[in-house]
Amino acid sequence: DAGITQSPRHKVTETGTPVTLRCHQTENHRYMYWYRQDPGHGLRLIHYSYGVKDTDKGEVSDGYSVSRSKTEDFLLTLESATSSQTSVYFCAIRPGQGDTEAFFGQGTRLTVV
Amino acid sequence: QKEVEQDPGPLSVPEGAIVSLNCTYSNSAFQYFMWYRQYSRKGPELLMYTYSSGNKEDGRFTAQVDKSSKYISLFIRDSQPSDSATYLCAMSAISGTYKYIFGTGTRLKVLA
Repeated sequence: DAGITQSPRHKVTETGTPVTLRCHQTENHRYMYWYRQDPGHGLRLIHYSYGVKDTDKGEVSDGYSVSRSKTEDFLLTLESATSSQTSVYFCAIRPGQGDTEAFFGQGTRLTVV
Repeated sequence: QKEVEQDPGPLSVPEGAIVSLNCTYSNSAFQYFMWYRQYSRKGPELLMYTYSSGNKEDGRFTAQVDKSSKYISLFIRDSQPSDSATYLCAMSAISGTYKYIFGTGTRLKVLA
């Protein structure tokens, strides 16, 4: 799995609570991404990072924030979880220079009730 | 209209068949094209990676890119039940923010 660990793997939370998902890599790759995957929509980019403390929004960033204080960790926070944020969340990493392939984690299945 | 279009399937074929999976796209800036395979309840894994137009072969898999038609294909020869998965195409522009745009995925089932 290219040295990517997502935690937790499964989570059930209540509407309105904050939730943080963690992506940890051991590859020292520069680029890290958070995606969500939903039926009929495929993988959609939430946020990405191109270095420590350097992040930018993706196409579905509303209701999400991210932080990257170390190269190896990229955190995704749902500020106030809603049922529409029930999804499978994937972290991905990419080495850096040039457009090379991305490697994905195993995913976090989040259910907001 | 989505930037990348992919038929969701499902596509069912008998073992040994040649499978053709396709994506179309609208952004002429895309230069890097990828195919990912995703087994149920797993993360996507890179299968093929091509740059610009042309063909690339890797074992039973062949990726084709036709930039003039904005169309990419993945062919699987001698398909096996173990090829049963969802296949996602993904694309990226040559420069900028290095964001990948994914298709919705095609679910393939190879019947023994």
